[in-house]
Amino acid sequence: QSALTQPASVSGSPGQSITISCTGTSSDVGAYKYVSWYQQHPGKAPKLMIYEVSNRPSGVSNRFAGSKSGNTASLTISGLQAEDEADYYCSSYTTSSTYVFGTGTKVTVL
Amino acid sequence: QVQLQESGPGLVKPSETLSLTCTVSGDSISNHYWSWVRQPPGKGLEWIGYIRYSVSTAYNPSLKSRVTISLDTSKNQFSLNQFSLKLTSVTAADTAVYYCARYDSGGYYWVYWGQGALVTVSS
Repeated sequence: QSALTQPASVSGSPGQSITISCTGTSSDVGAYKYVSWYQQHPGKAPKLMIYEVSNRPSGVSNRFAGSKSGNTASLTISGLQAEDEADYYCSSYTTSSTYVFGTGTKVTVL
Repeated sequence: QVQLQESGPGLVKPSETLSLTCTVSGDSISNHYWSWVRQPPGKGLEWIGYIRYSVSTAYNPSLKSRVTISLDTSKNQFSLNQFSLKLTSVTAADTAVYYCARYDSGGYYWVYWGQGALVTVSS
């Protein structure tokens, strides 16, 4: 199985909005609603930010929003803050009953 | 509060078997799906596999021939429970931080993660 495709890096100024794309296939992202997003700060474990395409776990800021169209999912961070600087990974359940992660995106707050 | 903690050797020789244990507290491993995910230094996350108590296991096709995930249950519902990872015939490409994690109730995304354990494959 191939990793989902994400941009290597995305940057924005404080207060701006950025969007990270996650492109897969009809066998993963396009097949189900089971797309999730994880934030990872250096040296730390990943943290769930979005599940089932657009749902936020309790405690996650509403500045984080997820969506999906066809084989591409997206994570939008609005009102960008310094603490949002981290790596972000998408993940999807697949038609083979396995799981695949995205290639990862480094978000830089300018 | 669910907590996970990885433990095991930090250095493994090439061609040998990597063995890690995840100790779970605050939950029973008879519930949920339990998983291993790894991350080579400076690289992205890779799903290794999962186990669901007495029901099923599933592995990344690229690792399937070398991976075994198993449970070690305790009779007390909320006492410490453990599950383990074994990866055989390791090479330098298996050097990574290994995370254990718990899925949501449906088994579609990871809710709780351990802090990670770095395993280096080197002679």
